[in-house]
Amino acid sequence: EPEVTQTPSHQVTQMGQEVILRCVPISNHLYFYWYRQILGQKVEFLVSFYNNEISEKSEIFDDQFSVERPDGSNFTLKIRSTKLEDSAMYFCASSTTGGRYEQFFGPGTRLTVL
Amino acid sequence: GENVEQHPSTLSVQEGDSAVIKCTYSDSASNYFPWYKQELGKRPQLIIDIRSNVGEKKDQRIAVTLNKTAKHFSLHITETQPEDSAVYFCAAVGNNDMRFGAGTRLTVKP
Repeated sequence: EPEVTQTPSHQVTQMGQEVILRCVPISNHLYFYWYRQILGQKVEFLVSFYNNEISEKSEIFDDQFSVERPDGSNFTLKIRSTKLEDSAMYFCASSTTGGRYEQFFGPGTRLTVL
Repeated sequence: GENVEQHPSTLSVQEGDSAVIKCTYSDSASNYFPWYKQELGKRPQLIIDIRSNVGEKKDQRIAVTLNKTAKHFSLHITETQPEDSAVYFCAAVGNNDMRFGAGTRLTVKP
């Protein structure tokens, strides 16, 4: 069964550094999402992406964040200048036909900012 | 924006008992309500969902009810088993933004 994959599984970075988190959505899916989950807390929506542009974004997704689909398979989340409070698990998800249908989550990337 | 409230935050039941988790949402434009199960260190996995044109949906031991007027939806798990122990999240979707509740940690004691 196809799955969403994410790399790396764990990323450690220094405060102020840029990080890029990578995701490979399921191949016939058209909608892509990023979520974050601070340890022990709820899953928080960051952004949705369709047809090479942002569809929706939350109040968390400020100018420090950007998303890109650089080729036909990858979907990336970039954090320009990481802060301590960016430490969290970041989940990528994809769906066939928009947010009102099942979203399939990747295994997550644990980001630790020191 | 959408705000989803979820109760209780923790729930402990004996194996074989039922468990009920309740959520409310604020945005009347939300029209899709999935429930996710998350085991420790794992990704959220969809267990059941319901759309706004349906009042109830059942899948074996799991059922979900939706009251659009009151903006309430609930998850019901019957005949609970130890492997049902996990964190359960409700969510509400309007367009392409899924907003989660705070989660319920369910413990099923054998």
